[in-house]
Amino acid sequence: ELKVEQNPLFLSMQEGKNYTIYCNYSTTSDRLYWYRQDPGKSLESLFVLLSNGAVKQEGRLMASLDTKARLSTLHITAAVHDLSATYFCAGGTGGTSYGKLTFGQGTILTVHP
Amino acid sequence: NAGVTQTPKFQVLKTGQSMTLQCAQDMNHEYMSWYRQDPGMGLRLIHYSVGAGITDQGEVPNGYNVSRSTTEDFPLRLLSAAPSQTSVYFCASSYSKSGSKETQYFGPGTRLLVL
Repeated sequence: ELKVEQNPLFLSMQEGKNYTIYCNYSTTSDRLYWYRQDPGKSLESLFVLLSNGAVKQEGRLMASLDTKARLSTLHITAAVHDLSATYFCAGGTGGTSYGKLTFGQGTILTVHP
Repeated sequence: NAGVTQTPKFQVLKTGQSMTLQCAQDMNHEYMSWYRQDPGMGLRLIHYSVGAGITDQGEVPNGYNVSRSTTEDFPLRLLSAAPSQTSVYFCASSYSKSGSKETQYFGPGTRLLVL
């Protein structure tokens, strides 16, 4: 059974600073997802990582995947207030399990001026 | 495309009542799922479907039923509501084929309060 753990669960950052959210998973997962959720809203897809060593970047966010370490990271560069949200990682497998994702607890990110 | 739609947006039930949460997608996705979101616990999978007529249980299926008679629709039925089912429910859909754009698309959610 796949288990996904994120840390930290709460992150308070100053604008302009860098930080990393970590996502560890317990068993083989052939895909790793990152989502953003604003308060009271749905989930917005940020990244899909499909292979070992995959790195994807969008604006101030960069995600990577190390399948050997069972670790994905979401790196925030020069944080701005608009990045304040809850970030989830989720692991999934292919085949008939495409519709199944196991989510981490979420990281609540607050960016202060 | 409307994407993934859910109705109602908000519902209040009394313990023991039954109801159906509706979910529809217009992207011709084969895979559809239902999740519930509770504070501090992320999202947990209730049921999922890999195509019309095929469903399976997720992590927390007790108290919920699903069916998938068409590709577009995937309703979630609460048989006898309990306060423990107070949550935000999200429906999601995705393509069946792998690829760099593959992701799950989430609906806007249904907030359910069971008194």
